[in-house]
Amino acid sequence: QVQVVESGGGVVQPGRSLRLSCAASGFTFSSYAMHWVRQAPGKGLEWVTVISNDGTGKYYTDSVKGRFTISRDDSKNTVYLQMSSLRGEDTALYYCAAEKSGSYHFDYWGQGTLVTVSS
Amino acid sequence: QSALTQPASVSGSPGQSITISCTGTSSDVGSYNLVSWYQQHPGKAPKLIIYEVSKRPSGVSSRFSGSRSGNTASLTISGLQAEDEADYYCCSYAGSSTWVFGGGTKLTVL
Repeated sequence: QVQVVESGGGVVQPGRSLRLSCAASGFTFSSYAMHWVRQAPGKGLEWVTVISNDGTGKYYTDSVKGRFTISRDDSKNTVYLQMSSLRGEDTALYYCAAEKSGSYHFDYWGQGTLVTVSS
Repeated sequence: QSALTQPASVSGSPGQSITISCTGTSSDVGSYNLVSWYQQHPGKAPKLIIYEVSKRPSGVSSRFSGSRSGNTASLTISGLQAEDEADYYCCSYAGSSTWVFGGGTKLTVL
């Protein structure tokens, strides 16, 4: 069955870095674009970034451009989110979501990993 | 991008129908037939219930339906059941490989 499992969250000081991982199984990973979507405590969903199925396309929401980097390793069926220069407003539950390439919607979601930016 | 606009809350009694609106702009909802809807129960991950405005994934109840008129998309839930109580989010492709979500709507089944 399909599994999407995020890891790497934690408490980090403002200005520091953190790397999230998302391990996927149960579907053809190389056919899926992978996204990160976050949800601040008590707030709504916010799309953050996407990497295309072949890894050549990477796009970001304006608030994280230049600070976050998405990457993927298809040999491990894993996508990463490198976050740097973290701010308090980055505090959120970070979900990894899978989009069948070109479908424009999110078929599979993980349970999320919590990132808290605080001194 | 600005978030799509959804009502903060809606409510209905079991068996009734409710509709949740999702208003965007001509750059997102109005430009693409690529609106999707997600159901999120407390403490759970979102679940896809509608894609491409009105299509239902396999396994999703036919009580859920979607539509769009101009810059506004809508989700209708008919025959409300207690298990439908959840948060609902719309999402639209916004061009240039970006997506935008709505602020979310809390559905209460009375």
